Amino acid sequence: NAGVTQTPKFQVLKTGQSMTLQCAQDMNHNSMYWYRQDPGMGLRLIYYSASEGTTDKGEVPNGYNVSRLNKREFSLRLESAAPSQTSVYFCASSSPWTGTEAFFGQGTRLTVV
Amino acid sequence: QKEVEQNSGPLSVPEGAIASLNCTYSDRGSQSFFWYRQYSGKSPELIMSIYSNGDQEDGRFTAQLNKASQYVSLLIRDSQPSDSATYLCAVRDTDKLIFGTGTRLQVFP
Repeated sequence: NAGVTQTPKFQVLKTGQSMTLQCAQDMNHNSMYWYRQDPGMGLRLIYYSASEGTTDKGEVPNGYNVSRLNKREFSLRLESAAPSQTSVYFCASSSPWTGTEAFFGQGTRLTVV
Repeated sequence: QKEVEQNSGPLSVPEGAIASLNCTYSDRGSQSFFWYRQYSGKSPELIMSIYSNGDQEDGRFTAQLNKASQYVSLLIRDSQPSDSATYLCAVRDTDKLIFGTGTRLQVFP
């Protein structure tokens, strides 16, 4: 039982490059989330998916796209990376309506140069 | 924009003391509140949940909720150096969690 698995753990991109962060959970949770964490800014929600087949914007969606591939997987794509997207990205999953709150993956440390 | 506010700290307490961490939230209709612990370089980990006014205790941790004052707190009794971490307050907003910026706690021997 791995919980929430994110790949990769570390990534360096050049400005303008694209990449996809992968996230998978094996806890049968309905909801999945992508957050970014910057010093002094706390966790800010980028996108979330309340259930399979739905996605919604969070607080800071600009420059990102997401795909809820199935109930287990929720990917985050940077189409044209910018230095402002240098951050630590966390994926999380939950089933709030059954009282199961957010479990986080181990994070992806992304640097855009 | 619904907000969750925390003092960034650091809050420094001696080993064995009670650490008190505080959080305020803007949405009076909020119903579900959580405390996460995050060690440096690690991911957040849920340590307490509270849904009704009053206290919720789990071992050395007590969460306190006052909906009238829109105030949530976390007390850590008999603080240990291993409790040194950043503590994030979170409030549920329908389908998502809104986090505060966290309070860094330092417990010194």
